[in-house]
Amino acid sequence: DAMVIQNPRYQVTQFGKPVTLSCSQTLNHNVMYWYQQKSSQAPKLLFHYYDKDFNNEADTPDNFQSRRPNTSFCFLDIRSPGLGDAAMYLCATSRGTGGHTGELFFGEGSRLTVL
Amino acid sequence: AQRVTQPEKLLSVFKGAPVELKCNYSYSGSPELFWYVQYSRQRLQLLLRHISRESIKGFTADLNKGETSFHLKKPFAQEEDSAMYYCALSAKAAGNKLTFGGGTRVLVKP
Repeated sequence: DAMVIQNPRYQVTQFGKPVTLSCSQTLNHNVMYWYQQKSSQAPKLLFHYYDKDFNNEADTPDNFQSRRPNTSFCFLDIRSPGLGDAAMYLCATSRGTGGHTGELFFGEGSRLTVL
Repeated sequence: AQRVTQPEKLLSVFKGAPVELKCNYSYSGSPELFWYVQYSRQRLQLLLRHISRESIKGFTADLNKGETSFHLKKPFAQEEDSAMYYCALSAKAAGNKLTFGGGTRVLVKP
């Protein structure tokens, strides 16, 4: 029944060791988002895809990259994780059209720990 | 740029008491406002949106453009309302991206 699935739920990596988080959706939504949420803070948008169009937020570090090989999947790559990148990473989707643009469907998140 | 402010980090109320979560926003155009909720060990999910003008789980929220507010209210809080609540704004001029407030944790005591 899950519609937005994130893997892994928990990821431990070493300082500087690349990590990839994945997100899949069964909703056939146009838009997929990646948010970073640190403890006791609001989710912060890193970037999003509208279909194949990639939209990066101005303050997203270059260390963060994303890929969307097809409608269903989206990946977050952190090339060289630092201690400050430890956070919960949330994937979300939305239809992107027809007045539903603010209605996001979230995954359960991937918690990243950097040692 | 748009901004959403939730002044209360924590709201603690007794079961059956009214609860009001404050949300103020800054945006020069016509925004869409939302409340999202995250129950313990569950994913973040939409609670309600201002254009629907509906009551969900007994919660209502009215958009006050004059005060740039979108406060969430429930007349009689229940223990199952204990959760993290986020106010969020979607702005057409910003590509309809959702901007979240800092969140308010609600604790309903028996």
